[in-house]
Amino acid sequence: EVQLLESGGGLVQPGGSLRLSCAASGFTFSSHWMHWVRQAPGKGLVWVSRINTDGNRINYADAVEGRFTISRDNAQNTLYLQMNSLTAEDTAVYFCVRDRRGGRTAFDNWGRGAPVTVSS
Amino acid sequence: DIQMTQSPSSLSASVGDRVTITCRASQTISSFLNWYQQKPGKAPKFLIYDASTLQNGVPSRFSGSGSGTDFTLTISNLQPEDFATYYCQQSYSTPYTFGQGTKLEIK
Repeated sequence: EVQLLESGGGLVQPGGSLRLSCAASGFTFSSHWMHWVRQAPGKGLVWVSRINTDGNRINYADAVEGRFTISRDNAQNTLYLQMNSLTAEDTAVYFCVRDRRGGRTAFDNWGRGAPVTVSS
Repeated sequence: DIQMTQSPSSLSASVGDRVTITCRASQTISSFLNWYQQKPGKAPKFLIYDASTLQNGVPSRFSGSGSGTDFTLTISNLQPEDFATYYCQQSYSTPYTFGQGTKLEIK
């Protein structure tokens, strides 16, 4: 069974930093592109970032470019999201998401999400 | 960025009904369109990819169609567990964008 377990969320002050982790199990982590998707309270889904299997192809949404860094450790089956210079607009649940293999991107497995609140 | 627009934003229906949700892209995205279902407090669930292909395990009462800029998700014979919010998402290019969601409620 595919499992994605996020951790590292919490309350942080504006301008602060937070690092999310996503522990993957039940599948060959190193064979899948991975993503972060976020959802602000009461709002819709917003794609944040993606990383390829080797970690050398990365893309970000404009809203987080230059502040967030996605990375992965295939030996530890873990995905990361380093978030710096946080603002209230970054308050959201952050989902770790697996990309299905083959064909175009589709988010076929989701973690439960890590809540991040940016507030003073 | 490609903008995805869903209609309606909300929809009331009864068990056994057939409903259709529409998703429109701001530019052509071929058939690179996915659908998800989300229930309150839960992670989204992957339903359909490439506009019309059901993910394994998704009931056959769900169906998708469309190409280019206009797409539909149809749910036939609505079941109690289908009442949720549905999102379309384009996988044509980054940034991957979602529709704003359609909330399907019990009438």
